[in-house]
Amino acid sequence: EVQLLESGGGLVQPGGSLRLSCAASGFTFTSYAMTWVRQAPGKGLEWVSSISGSGGSTYYTDSVKGRFTISRDNSKNTLYLQMNSLRADDTAVYYCAKGDSGYEIRPDMAMDVWGQGTTVTVSS
Amino acid sequence: QSALTQPASVSGSPGQSITISCTGTSSDVGSYNLVSWYQQHPGKAPKLMIYEVSRRPSGISNRFSGSKSGNTASLTISGLQADDEADYYCCSYVHSNTFAYVFGTGTKVTVL
Repeated sequence: EVQLLESGGGLVQPGGSLRLSCAASGFTFTSYAMTWVRQAPGKGLEWVSSISGSGGSTYYTDSVKGRFTISRDNSKNTLYLQMNSLRADDTAVYYCAKGDSGYEIRPDMAMDVWGQGTTVTVSS
Repeated sequence: QSALTQPASVSGSPGQSITISCTGTSSDVGSYNLVSWYQQHPGKAPKLMIYEVSRRPSGISNRFSGSKSGNTASLTISGLQADDEADYYCCSYVHSNTFAYVFGTGTKVTVL
């Protein structure tokens, strides 16, 4: 069974840092691009970042560029999101999702498997 | 990048059909046939229902169908069932000098 399990969320003060992890199982992790999507309380979904299967290509939404870093350890089947300089508007449930179009980040990529999410709260 | 525009809510009775619209621009929805749709029940993770405008993943009921005209994509749910009550989000690739996705504002579907 294909599964994604996020962890690492919690309460952090503005300006602080947090690293999210997403453990993958049930598929050949290195063969698929991966994505982080977030959802602020009571709000809609927002694409945050995507990474290719090799980790060589990464993309970010404008609001997190320079603050967040997506990475992956294919030997551990784990996706990461390092979040620095956190702000109140980063408060959200963060989901990791598997791309359905292979190891490259392609325009036709949809997100076919999602984790259950991990909650990040930025507050003093 | 502005979110795609969806109606806040749509409702229908069991057995009826409903359609959810998703309006973007020539830089996203209108650029390619790369719109996907996700269903999200309260407190749950999103689930892929439609990809590439009208294609259904394995296991998704054929009661769900998608289409697109110009800058507007649509999701139709036919034979509405109680379990279809959920939030629905469209998503499109954004044509720009880098890679990006944009989601819609979300639509709450209520089964009366």
